[in-house]
Amino acid sequence: QKEVEQDPGPLSVPEGAIVSLNCTYSNSAFQYFMWYRQYSRKGPELLMYTYSSGNKEDGRFTAQVDKSSKYISLFIRDSQPSDSATYLCAPSGGGADGLTFGKGTHLIIQP
Amino acid sequence: NAGVTQTPKFRILKIGQSMTLQCTQDMNHNYMYWYRQDPGMGLKLIYYSVGAGITDKGEVPNGYNVSRSTTEDFPLRLELAAPSQTSVYFCASTPPRNAYEQYFGPGTRLTVT
Repeated sequence: QKEVEQDPGPLSVPEGAIVSLNCTYSNSAFQYFMWYRQYSRKGPELLMYTYSSGNKEDGRFTAQVDKSSKYISLFIRDSQPSDSATYLCAPSGGGADGLTFGKGTHLIIQP
Repeated sequence: NAGVTQTPKFRILKIGQSMTLQCTQDMNHNYMYWYRQDPGMGLKLIYYSVGAGITDKGEVPNGYNVSRSTTEDFPLRLELAAPSQTSVYFCASTPPRNAYEQYFGPGTRLTVT
């Protein structure tokens, strides 16, 4: 069963706050865990990916995966108004048959 | 590189009409995908292709057809358009070694009335 659960929000926080975005999934075959960012009326763009369990940091962004609990997180430090977008989690088994996307969380960073 | 391009950007169809959504990529990617995104929903896979001449169904293929005659192009055909096909359609491509790293086009907004 392919299923990814994600709170659609909206999540509104003040500029400079730490943001936590989360997803849960049910398919234990997922090995790659992606976060895509989608600005309004644009196509999604890959923000980060993590292979298997663990943490990965890229500037202000940290992706975290706990395969034992099937829980995926994205943390944004020192959030900026330009971070306002919809964030989609997308786990994958790594095969060619496409990604399974969550509904996306709409994030609003208030100046 | 232009990346992934889609045409048209917007289209309004009447019920029962047909149309083709065009998708082209210039990155020499083998894998290409069509997704649809309904308001407040994630992307759902319609069809995908791992190379010229090879296509396969995704999660929501009913009402759509695809073809892949070249590496660059992956058109999506809607036959007998229905209001349920009102959505934003995204085409994506990916290199085979990094199938998780999908590059998306800007989307086509389709309304069926």
